[in-house]
Amino acid sequence: KAGVTQTPRYLIKTRGQQVTLSCSPISGHRSVSWYQQTPGQGLQFLFEYFSETQRNKGNFPGRFSGRQFSNSRSEMNVSTLELGDSALYLCASSLAAGDFSYEQYFGPGTRLTVT
Amino acid sequence: AQKVTQAQTEISVVEKEDVTLDCVYETRDTTYYLFWYKQPPSGELVFLIRRNSFDEQNEISGRYSWNFQKSTSSFNFTITASQVVDSAVYFCALSEDYGGSQGNLIFGKGTKLSVKP
Repeated sequence: KAGVTQTPRYLIKTRGQQVTLSCSPISGHRSVSWYQQTPGQGLQFLFEYFSETQRNKGNFPGRFSGRQFSNSRSEMNVSTLELGDSALYLCASSLAAGDFSYEQYFGPGTRLTVT
Repeated sequence: AQKVTQAQTEISVVEKEDVTLDCVYETRDTTYYLFWYKQPPSGELVFLIRRNSFDEQNEISGRYSWNFQKSTSSFNFTITASQVVDSAVYFCALSEDYGGSQGNLIFGKGTKLSVKP
């Protein structure tokens, strides 16, 4: 079974620009979560999507947004990029078939550098 | 508030030594889940184990074992006879039961393990 895929793997953007990252979950997984990893703050939860609906959101400004499509693929968007947005963005998918917490499987991440 | 503390920032051992990575968590919920993930230099987080708050049985998987103690809010991870390939950053994480919501894993800061030949 193919794992979680993320594109692009590396990205360099300029302050003020916007960026869109893509994530394809493991086949059959309906939940997609996004995390930001930085050396200073560590791994922080951004948001979770399930059946095209945002089900949970972390403590990030409104410049960070996402969506999920009917095939469970997800995109996240960051507008008006700031230097502090430079990070590894990780996507994770989960089976989410019941009323309890399943393990999340992570993709390789997108390394975003803002200059 | 939920919190995960991994007090050991870096650990260095020589191959074949046993090593224990500590994880202490805080939560108000009675139903929660604990996880360990491994992040090798390639960057991808690899799932190792998931444990729910009602299952305090220790678990062993090959050279890996986990000790869950609710009384001390700890979920420690031991690697027996460490190998160079075990070198990675290990993260402990907590997830509360949001009625099916899978997100919002609360991660510790991670412990970087270096295993030298």
